[in-house]
Amino acid sequence: NAGVTQTPKFQVLKTGQSMTLQCAQDMNHNSMYWYRQDPGMGLRLIYYSASEGTTDKGEVPNGYNVSRLNKREFSLRLESAAPSQTSVYFCASRLQDGANVLTFGAGSRLTVL
Amino acid sequence: GQQLNQSPQSMFIQEGEDVSMNCTSSSIFNTWLWYKQDPGEGPVLLIALYKAGELTSNGRLTAQFGITRKDSFLNISASIPSDVGIYFCAGLHKGSQGGSEKLVFGKGTKLTVNP
Repeated sequence: NAGVTQTPKFQVLKTGQSMTLQCAQDMNHNSMYWYRQDPGMGLRLIYYSASEGTTDKGEVPNGYNVSRLNKREFSLRLESAAPSQTSVYFCASRLQDGANVLTFGAGSRLTVL
Repeated sequence: GQQLNQSPQSMFIQEGEDVSMNCTSSSIFNTWLWYKQDPGEGPVLLIALYKAGELTSNGRLTAQFGITRKDSFLNISASIPSDVGIYFCAGLHKGSQGGSEKLVFGKGTKLTVNP
């Protein structure tokens, strides 16, 4: 089982460019999440999708959009990247929104110049 | 909203030493989770705690769910170089009035083990 797969692993963007981070899980999980990790800040929730067809804002949603394409896939889009969005992004999933264990992808390191 | 205070922020220890880290909150949590993140990887679950007072071990790791449900600690005994990484606590808080449960993360403890 691949678990949670994120692409790309690394990306460099110029300010104002747009890009989409892709995430797919093969565990038949209902809930999927996008976090960003910054030094000294831990993991902060950007957006989540409790089930297919629903999305909700997390702690730091500004500057991002998401799409729950189907049960397996949950993408994160930056429409106009800013240097403040330089970070490591993690996708995660769990069986359902109330389930305890969250499984993470390996991360996508984004640098915005 | 709920916040977790994780300490220490970083630790530098010698191989073979024991390590202790903890998380505290002013809020009550239903579940405590401890994750480890290796450099360049995503966090991986180490231990899950489901009941107040619960003490659980996983090899050299031991974690406890505080009796007040507002804190948890993680101990690592006889540390080895591969213990290097960032350790995160996470608390699961039951939503009120049927709202969804929220998972809150601490800011992490960065562990360095000198051979």
